[in-house]
Amino acid sequence: QKEVEQNSGPLSVPEGAIASLNCTYSDRGSQSFFWYRQYSGKSPELIMSIYSNGDKEDGRFTAQLNKASQYVSLLIRDSQPSDSATYLCAASDSGYSTLTFGKGTMLLVSP
Amino acid sequence: EAQVTQNPRYLITVTGKKLTVTCSQNMNHEYMSWYRQDPGLGLRQIYYSMNVEVTDKGDVPEGYKVSRKEKRNFPLILESPSPNQTSLYFCASQLAGYNEQFFGPGTRLTVL
Repeated sequence: QKEVEQNSGPLSVPEGAIASLNCTYSDRGSQSFFWYRQYSGKSPELIMSIYSNGDKEDGRFTAQLNKASQYVSLLIRDSQPSDSATYLCAASDSGYSTLTFGKGTMLLVSP
Repeated sequence: EAQVTQNPRYLITVTGKKLTVTCSQNMNHEYMSWYRQDPGLGLRQIYYSMNVEVTDKGDVPEGYKVSRKEKRNFPLILESPSPNQTSLYFCASQLAGYNEQFFGPGTRLTVL
């Protein structure tokens, strides 16, 4: 059974701080990793994807992947109250494969 | 506008009354999928389809049926709904070879 594990939170950070969200996965065959943001009652929205070890930066977001440790993280710099949402980590073993989602980490950014 | 649509958005029904939730995408995506989302359990895949007439079970297929007769449509059928199928349902689509899944707005289903 493929599993993606996340701390449910909530993770509380003050505005302007760095938020660090973490995720581990069980399937060593996983090749592709994704971070989705989901506001309450809304659908998930893809914010980052990462496929190789190391860091990938996009604006205020940085995704980090360590396949040896089976670990994925998302850093959000200069956190804003509008970043308050649940962040879902997902893994896939191919471009056509199903996604396995973690249960999500709730992030709260206080003004 | 490129989008995934679902109907209805909200539905309250009774045990045993057959229902269909429709999903349609206008992006010519090959891959479509249905998820349910429950508190504490996260997103779980019900069924997915890699193309027309090709469907497969996800993690929680019991009590659900799907069909893929046209590329754009992927309806979810509950032949005899039960209260444990009360959930928030999402349809998603994906272009073959790309990893981004686009989600529909969700359907909140309550089975009494």
